[in-house]
Amino acid sequence: QVQLQESGPGLVKPSETLSLTCTVSGGSISSYYWSWIRQPPGKGLEWIGHIYSSGSTNYKPSLKSRVTISVDTSKNQFSLSLRSVTAADTAVYYCARAKGLQLWEYGMDVWGQGTTVTVSS
Amino acid sequence: DIQMTQSPSSLSASVGDRVTITCRASQSISYFLNWYRQKPGKAPNLLIYEASSLQSGVPSRFSGSGSGTDFTLTISSLQPEDFATYYCQQSYSAPLTFGGGTQVEIK
Repeated sequence: QVQLQESGPGLVKPSETLSLTCTVSGGSISSYYWSWIRQPPGKGLEWIGHIYSSGSTNYKPSLKSRVTISVDTSKNQFSLSLRSVTAADTAVYYCARAKGLQLWEYGMDVWGQGTTVTVSS
Repeated sequence: DIQMTQSPSSLSASVGDRVTITCRASQSISYFLNWYRQKPGKAPNLLIYEASSLQSGVPSRFSGSGSGTDFTLTISSLQPEDFATYYCQQSYSAPLTFGGGTQVEIK
């Protein structure tokens, strides 16, 4: 079955760029929407944005100026870049797949285990 | 953005109890409402999609209902593994948004 694995630095300095990659195994990245979601310590879930395998994206408006999500179909990976981070960006970051081919309307049915990113000097 | 409001924010219940969690959207989202269960330290798990469709592999004690702005998740007989936090999420329009969560605790 499809599995997702997040990777990237666990510690990022304030004002720098947070970069994470999600590797898709057991299936193709093509024809699906792929999301990044985060969860600050002790808080709820926040959707950051998603990308379709063709490269089209949607972002949360309040993060749009700092976020880029990209896809590399040759490596079956997609990535998150979050610029100018502050302590408020400290969270567990999850990657997830939308249920259903070419659709994002039916929830996210496959999730990575999550990776903790701390923003601190 | 569409705001999602869950209630209650927490509840206490016993094994075998029937539990209902509600979710209200700030505007009509048709039936594009999904429910997740998140156990401590784990990623969320999709339970219900399209308001009432049971995700494959999810026990039948979970059910969902509603359309428009008001939705409910019902657990017919609470099991030990159901003590967790539950989130609703709208997928009617981007940006996708989650409710604040409902923590189900052991009574």
